[in-house]
Amino acid sequence: KQEVTQIPAALSVPEGENLVLNCSFTDSAIYNLQWFRQDPGKGLTSLLLIQSSQREQTSGRLNASLDKSSGRSTLYIAASQPGDSATYLCAVNPSQIPLVFGKGTRLSVIA
Amino acid sequence: DVKVTQSSRYLVKRTGEKVFLECVQDMDHENMFWYRQDPGLGLRLIYFSYDVKMKEKGDIPEGYSVSREKKERFSLILESASTNQTSMYLCASSGEAGNYNEQFFGPGTRLTVL
Repeated sequence: KQEVTQIPAALSVPEGENLVLNCSFTDSAIYNLQWFRQDPGKGLTSLLLIQSSQREQTSGRLNASLDKSSGRSTLYIAASQPGDSATYLCAVNPSQIPLVFGKGTRLSVIA
Repeated sequence: DVKVTQSSRYLVKRTGEKVFLECVQDMDHENMFWYRQDPGLGLRLIYFSYDVKMKEKGDIPEGYSVSREKKERFSLILESASTNQTSMYLCASSGEAGNYNEQFFGPGTRLTVL
């Protein structure tokens, strides 16, 4: 059974720091991996989608990488800002069944 | 932009009431999903649908049913609400049937059952 783990569960950094959020999954047979952002009490916003054939995707200050063989993905956030404070979730898309989510990393960026 | 809307942001109901949560998407997506989210438990899939009138059980379907009479609308029904169904409910949709590609979420409904 596919399992997704995100470590750490919470992270606090000063403004301006570059940071990396980690996501690991147990079964490398995936179609894609998706990173989401969730603000308190809100729905999930899709940040990046990496197809299984890709190694990375970039959007603005965000860069997500995927290493299928080792079951790992990272979300890199450059020059963090207080507005980046949120919970970040990763989810993998296994073969023919819906997404499997990690429990998220709660990020606080301190001004 | 894909838009997924949910009928209510906040809802308060009494134990035993029948509760309807509605979700509508405007991108002609085939797949629709209902999740609940609880602190410490993360997102859990309740039901999903890959076509009109089709439904599949997720991880926690007990106490819930769904209806998909039109492609754009997916309803979650709590037949007899209980306090342990107090939660954040999230609806999502994605493109091709059976191809669970990028998912887009609605804003969520915070349901409280008293």
